[in-house]
Amino acid sequence: DAKTTQPPSMDCAEGRAANLPCNHSTISGNEYVYWYRQIHSQGPQYIIHGLKNNETNEMASLIITEDRKSSTLILPHATLRDTAVYYCIVRILSRDNYGQNFVFGPGTRLSVLP
Amino acid sequence: DTGVSQDPRHKITKRGQNVTFRCDPISEHNRLYWYRQTLGQGPEFLTYFQNEAQLEKSRLLSDRFSAERPKGSFSTLEIQRTEQGDSAMYLCASTHGTTDTQYFGPGTRLTVL
Repeated sequence: DAKTTQPPSMDCAEGRAANLPCNHSTISGNEYVYWYRQIHSQGPQYIIHGLKNNETNEMASLIITEDRKSSTLILPHATLRDTAVYYCIVRILSRDNYGQNFVFGPGTRLSVLP
Repeated sequence: DTGVSQDPRHKITKRGQNVTFRCDPISEHNRLYWYRQTLGQGPEFLTYFQNEAQLEKSRLLSDRFSAERPKGSFSTLEIQRTEQGDSAMYLCASTHGTTDTQYFGPGTRLTVL
Protein backbone atom coordinates (compact mmCIF):
# COMPACT_ATOMS: atom_id res chain seq x y z
CA ASP A 1 0.00 0.00 0.00
CA ALA A 2 1.17 3.54 -0.76
CA LYS A 3 2.44 5.61 2.11
CA THR A 4 0.66 8.73 3.22
CA THR A 5 1.89 11.91 4.85
CA GLN A 6 -0.28 13.92 7.21
CA PRO A 7 0.49 16.84 9.51
CA PRO A 8 0.83 15.60 13.09
CA SER A 9 -1.65 18.09 14.51
CA MET A 10 -4.13 20.81 13.58
CA ASP A 11 -6.47 23.16 15.38
CA CYS A 12 -9.88 24.30 14.21
CA ALA A 13 -12.41 26.71 15.73
CA GLU A 14 -15.77 25.25 16.60
CA GLY A 15 -18.31 25.85 13.85
CA ARG A 16 -15.67 26.39 11.19
CA ALA A 17 -14.71 23.97 8.47
CA ALA A 18 -11.84 21.62 9.29
CA ASN A 19 -9.67 20.80 6.28
CA LEU A 20 -7.34 17.88 6.84
CA PRO A 21 -4.72 17.32 4.15
CA CYS A 22 -3.10 14.07 3.11
CA ASN A 23 -0.28 13.52 0.64
CA HIS A 24 -0.08 10.21 -1.21
CA SER A 25 2.27 11.02 -4.07
CA THR A 26 3.04 7.36 -4.86
CA ILE A 27 -0.59 6.28 -5.12
CA SER A 28 -1.33 3.92 -8.00
CA GLY A 29 -4.35 3.92 -10.25
CA ASN A 30 -6.26 1.22 -8.43
CA GLU A 31 -5.70 2.48 -4.90
CA TYR A 32 -8.51 4.07 -2.96
CA VAL A 33 -8.19 6.78 -0.32
CA TYR A 34 -9.84 5.95 3.00
CA TRP A 35 -10.33 8.16 6.02
CA TYR A 36 -10.92 6.94 9.56
CA ARG A 37 -10.91 8.79 12.83
CA GLN A 38 -10.30 7.70 16.38
CA ILE A 39 -11.75 9.52 19.32
CA HIS A 40 -9.82 9.05 22.53
CA SER A 41 -10.02 5.51 23.93
CA GLN A 42 -12.39 4.32 21.21
CA GLY A 43 -11.90 2.15 18.13
CA PRO A 44 -11.32 3.79 14.73
CA GLN A 45 -14.47 5.01 13.01
CA TYR A 46 -14.94 4.88 9.24
CA ILE A 47 -15.59 8.29 7.68
CA ILE A 48 -15.41 8.12 3.91
CA HIS A 49 -13.47 6.72 0.97
CA GLY A 50 -13.00 7.49 -2.72
CA LEU A 51 -11.03 6.66 -5.84
CA LYS A 52 -10.83 9.79 -7.98
CA ASN A 53 -14.13 11.61 -7.76
CA ASN A 54 -15.01 13.85 -4.86
CA GLU A 55 -17.23 12.15 -2.34
CA THR A 56 -19.65 13.45 0.28
CA ASN A 57 -21.62 11.77 3.00
CA GLU A 58 -23.34 12.80 6.19
CA MET A 59 -20.05 13.06 8.04
CA ALA A 60 -17.63 14.69 5.64
CA SER A 61 -16.47 15.50 2.14
CA LEU A 62 -13.42 14.04 0.44
CA ILE A 63 -11.67 16.11 -2.21
CA ILE A 64 -9.09 14.25 -4.30
CA THR A 65 -6.82 16.23 -6.62
CA GLU A 66 -6.92 15.47 -10.32
CA ASP A 67 -3.49 13.83 -10.24
CA ARG A 68 -4.60 11.89 -7.12
CA LYS A 69 -1.38 12.69 -5.33
CA SER A 70 -3.17 14.38 -2.45
CA SER A 71 -6.57 14.68 -0.85
CA THR A 72 -8.40 16.75 1.73
CA LEU A 73 -10.99 15.64 4.22
CA ILE A 74 -13.45 18.40 5.01
CA LEU A 75 -15.60 18.50 8.12
CA PRO A 76 -17.94 21.36 7.16
CA HIS A 77 -18.93 22.57 10.62
CA ALA A 78 -16.55 21.16 13.20
CA THR A 79 -17.86 20.52 16.70
CA LEU A 80 -16.02 19.71 19.90
CA ARG A 81 -16.97 16.06 19.36
CA ASP A 82 -14.89 16.02 16.19
CA THR A 83 -11.71 16.26 18.25
CA ALA A 84 -9.90 13.07 17.32
CA VAL A 85 -6.97 11.54 15.44
CA TYR A 86 -7.73 11.36 11.72
CA TYR A 87 -6.08 8.67 9.61
CA CYS A 88 -5.65 8.80 5.83
CA ILE A 89 -5.02 5.38 4.28
CA VAL A 90 -4.55 4.34 0.67
CA ARG A 91 -5.10 0.79 -0.41
CA ILE A 92 -5.91 -1.37 -3.35
CA LEU A 93 -9.52 -2.41 -3.68
CA SER A 94 -9.67 -5.30 -6.08
CA ARG A 95 -11.05 -8.78 -6.12
CA ASP A 96 -7.61 -10.22 -5.45
CA ASN A 97 -7.08 -7.97 -2.47
CA TYR A 98 -10.33 -8.14 -0.63
CA GLY A 99 -9.68 -8.77 3.00
CA GLN A 100 -6.31 -7.11 3.27
CA ASN A 101 -5.62 -5.17 6.41
CA PHE A 102 -5.42 -1.41 6.62
CA VAL A 103 -2.00 0.13 7.20
CA PHE A 104 -2.40 3.06 9.59
CA GLY A 105 0.14 5.85 9.98
CA PRO A 106 0.31 8.18 12.99
CA GLY A 107 -2.52 10.37 11.61
CA THR A 108 -3.40 14.00 12.35
CA ARG A 109 -4.56 14.99 15.79
CA LEU A 110 -7.38 17.51 15.25
CA SER A 111 -8.31 19.72 18.17
CA VAL A 112 -11.57 21.61 17.81
CA LEU A 113 -11.41 24.66 20.04
CA PRO A 114 -14.41 26.45 21.58
CA ASP B 1 -21.61 1.87 18.27
CA THR B 2 -20.53 0.00 15.13
CA GLY B 3 -22.03 -3.30 16.18
CA VAL B 4 -18.65 -4.92 16.84
CA SER B 5 -18.26 -5.76 20.51
CA GLN B 6 -15.17 -6.70 22.49
CA ASP B 7 -14.79 -8.15 25.93
CA PRO B 8 -13.34 -7.23 28.33
CA ARG B 9 -12.85 -3.52 27.74
CA HIS B 10 -9.98 -3.39 30.20
CA LYS B 11 -7.65 -6.06 31.52
CA ILE B 12 -4.88 -5.70 34.06
CA THR B 13 -2.63 -8.68 34.55
CA LYS B 14 0.73 -9.58 35.98
CA ARG B 15 3.67 -10.45 33.81
CA GLY B 16 3.71 -14.13 32.96
CA GLN B 17 -0.05 -14.64 33.14
CA ASN B 18 -2.21 -15.71 30.19
CA VAL B 19 -5.04 -13.51 28.94
CA THR B 20 -7.83 -14.07 26.44
CA PHE B 21 -9.90 -11.47 24.64
CA ARG B 22 -13.12 -11.95 22.75
CA CYS B 23 -14.50 -10.17 19.70
CA ASP B 24 -18.05 -10.46 18.38
CA PRO B 25 -18.23 -9.06 14.85
CA ILE B 26 -21.25 -7.62 13.12
CA SER B 27 -23.63 -10.45 12.35
CA GLU B 28 -22.95 -12.08 8.96
CA HIS B 29 -19.61 -10.33 8.55
CA ASN B 30 -17.33 -13.05 7.23
CA ARG B 31 -14.01 -11.26 7.67
CA LEU B 32 -12.53 -10.47 11.05
CA TYR B 33 -9.30 -8.65 11.86
CA TRP B 34 -7.20 -8.13 14.97
CA TYR B 35 -5.00 -5.05 15.40
CA ARG B 36 -2.79 -3.82 18.20
CA GLN B 37 -2.33 -0.16 19.06
CA THR B 38 0.29 1.30 21.37
CA LEU B 39 0.21 4.81 22.76
CA GLY B 40 0.61 7.51 20.13
CA GLN B 41 0.68 5.09 17.22
CA GLY B 42 -1.88 3.99 14.68
CA PRO B 43 -3.29 0.46 14.84
CA GLU B 44 -1.00 -2.32 13.60
CA PHE B 45 -2.33 -5.43 11.90
CA LEU B 46 -1.99 -8.74 13.75
CA THR B 47 -4.12 -11.32 11.97
CA TYR B 48 -7.16 -11.86 9.77
CA PHE B 49 -9.87 -14.50 9.38
CA GLN B 50 -12.21 -15.24 6.55
CA ASN B 51 -14.97 -17.28 8.13
CA GLU B 52 -13.12 -19.74 10.36
CA ALA B 53 -9.90 -19.77 8.34
CA GLN B 54 -6.96 -17.72 9.57
CA LEU B 55 -5.57 -16.41 6.29
CA GLU B 56 -2.84 -14.02 7.32
CA LYS B 57 -0.65 -13.36 10.32
CA SER B 58 1.67 -10.44 10.91
CA ARG B 59 5.21 -10.97 12.09
CA LEU B 60 4.06 -9.05 15.19
CA LEU B 61 2.10 -12.15 16.15
CA SER B 62 4.74 -14.01 18.11
CA ASP B 63 4.46 -17.63 19.22
CA ARG B 64 2.88 -16.44 22.45
CA PHE B 65 -0.13 -15.13 20.55
CA SER B 66 -2.87 -17.32 19.16
CA ALA B 67 -6.18 -16.42 17.60
CA GLU B 68 -9.18 -18.56 16.76
CA ARG B 69 -12.54 -18.19 15.11
CA PRO B 70 -13.95 -21.67 15.53
CA LYS B 71 -17.41 -21.27 14.05
CA GLY B 72 -16.79 -18.32 11.83
CA SER B 73 -18.57 -15.98 14.20
CA PHE B 74 -16.83 -14.67 17.33
CA SER B 75 -13.07 -14.75 17.67
CA THR B 76 -10.65 -15.02 20.57
CA LEU B 77 -7.12 -13.71 20.90
CA GLU B 78 -4.96 -15.33 23.57
CA ILE B 79 -1.63 -14.08 24.82
CA GLN B 80 0.43 -16.53 26.82
CA ARG B 81 3.12 -15.56 29.32
CA THR B 82 2.36 -11.88 28.98
CA GLU B 83 5.19 -9.36 28.93
CA GLN B 84 5.13 -5.67 29.73
CA GLY B 85 5.63 -4.96 26.04
CA ASP B 86 2.25 -6.54 25.36
CA SER B 87 0.54 -3.60 27.05
CA ALA B 88 -1.59 -2.04 24.33
CA MET B 89 -5.08 -1.61 22.98
CA TYR B 90 -6.24 -4.69 21.08
CA LEU B 91 -8.76 -3.85 18.39
CA CYS B 92 -11.07 -6.07 16.42
CA ALA B 93 -12.70 -5.15 13.11
CA SER B 94 -15.06 -6.90 10.74
CA THR B 95 -16.25 -6.54 7.18
CA HIS B 96 -18.51 -8.39 4.79
CA GLY B 97 -18.67 -9.57 1.25
CA THR B 98 -17.59 -7.20 -1.44
CA THR B 99 -17.25 -4.15 0.78
CA ASP B 100 -13.79 -3.45 2.15
CA THR B 101 -14.82 -0.99 4.83
CA GLN B 102 -13.76 -2.31 8.22
CA TYR B 103 -15.86 -1.59 11.27
CA PHE B 104 -13.95 -1.51 14.51
CA GLY B 105 -14.94 -2.49 18.01
CA PRO B 106 -14.16 -0.37 21.07
CA GLY B 107 -11.00 -2.33 21.85
CA THR B 108 -9.59 -4.12 24.88
CA ARG B 109 -6.96 -2.20 26.79
CA LEU B 110 -4.37 -4.54 28.28
CA THR B 111 -2.01 -3.45 31.02
CA VAL B 112 0.74 -5.86 32.02
CA LEU B 113 2.31 -5.06 35.38
